Amino acid sequence: QKEVEQNSGPLSVPEGAIASLNCTYSDRGSQSFFWYRQYSGKSPELIMFIYSNGDKEDGRFTAQLNKASQYVSLLIRDSQPSDSATYLCAVKSGGSYIPTFGRGTSLIVHP
Amino acid sequence: DGGITQSPKYLFRKEGQNVTLSCEQNLNHDAMYWYRQDPGQGLRLIYYSQIVNDFQKGDIAEGYSVSREKKESFPLTVTSAQKNPTAFYLCASSMSARTGSNQPQHFGDGTRLSIL
Repeated sequence: QKEVEQNSGPLSVPEGAIASLNCTYSDRGSQSFFWYRQYSGKSPELIMFIYSNGDKEDGRFTAQLNKASQYVSLLIRDSQPSDSATYLCAVKSGGSYIPTFGRGTSLIVHP
Repeated sequence: DGGITQSPKYLFRKEGQNVTLSCEQNLNHDAMYWYRQDPGQGLRLIYYSQIVNDFQKGDIAEGYSVSREKKESFPLTVTSAQKNPTAFYLCASSMSARTGSNQPQHFGDGTRLSIL
């Protein structure tokens, strides 16, 4: 059973701070890692993907992957109240057709 | 604009009734998926299709049916056998669903289904 674990939160950070969201996964054969943002009542929106160990930056977002330790993180710099949402981690194994989703971490950025 | 269109946005089902949720994509994606989302439970896979005229059951297929007659369309029918259909239904697509593919899924806006 492939598992993807996320702390449900809520994670509360002040405006302008760095928000750090973490995701661990059980399948060592995992190859593709995705972060989605889901606002309340809306559908998930892809914001980052990473395939190789290390960091990948896109604007205020940085994804960090450590395959040896089986975790992937999402850092949000200069957090804004508009970043308040649930962040879903999705992991896909090389031998799977379908990614496995975590249950998401709720982020609250307060002014 | 390319995207995934789900309709209707809100749907109400009466006891013993089958209802069909529409999903259309113009992204030229081969693979399409249906998920169900309940509060605090994350996404659960109902059905997926890798190619026209072929589809596979996901983790919670009982009480649901699908068809894939066209590449662009993947409708989901919630049958009367599904006793607890109230949920947020999400359709997604990706370029392919083959093993080894690292293509991400993209989601439609969802359909919220409730029981009358």
